Amino acid sequence: DQQVKQNSPSLSVQEGRISILNCDYTNSMFDYFLWYKKYPAEGPTFLISISSIKDKNEDGRFTVFLNKSAKHLSLHIVPSQPGDSAVYFCAASANGGYQKVTFGTGTKLQVIP
Amino acid sequence: EPEVTQTPSHQVTQMGQEVILRCVPISNHLYFYWYRQILGQKVEFLVSFYNNEISEKSEIFDDQFSVERPDGSNFTLKIRSTKLEDSAMYFCASGWGGSTDTQYFGPGTRLTVL
Repeated sequence: DQQVKQNSPSLSVQEGRISILNCDYTNSMFDYFLWYKKYPAEGPTFLISISSIKDKNEDGRFTVFLNKSAKHLSLHIVPSQPGDSAVYFCAASANGGYQKVTFGTGTKLQVIP
Repeated sequence: EPEVTQTPSHQVTQMGQEVILRCVPISNHLYFYWYRQILGQKVEFLVSFYNNEISEKSEIFDDQFSVERPDGSNFTLKIRSTKLEDSAMYFCASGWGGSTDTQYFGPGTRLTVL
């Protein structure tokens, strides 16, 4: 059941450059999308979210873009910092954020100093 | 900043034994959740809980599992008779509810069934 897909298991980026993490979804009922960051042996930490009524949401160095027609979202991190190295999970829910969240498989980001 | 806490951080048990995983959600939140992540796999939804009852559960959440909010602060997940395949990280999450709610996750309990 791959309703949320992150096709890149890993990504390496130089410090100071842009990191772009991609996510695709198949369930048209999803209307709320989130990105979580996860370090080993820790729980997912909320990073940024976007509602389906928007196509962009920005919070500091993090921007999420949503393309509903393509069922695609992306997370941009500018500039990337070594502390950003972690696994990033794309997640989605239907009928509001209080419903169950469906996670992607994650992308491991490594920011090289 | 308020956070979700979970105890214990690691639980080792024998197959067939009962375990209770405990969580203290963020205090003003109304919705509570359990997720799990088997090693190498993605985070999977188990159950959501609101107004003292289960609001949704996945096919994973069978009769061996139960949840309870025994008081105003704790939220527990009980596995009645553990199996080897129950070994996983179990994450508790909470949210206040609403169309753009965000679920905040605890640090997890690593359950090892021998």
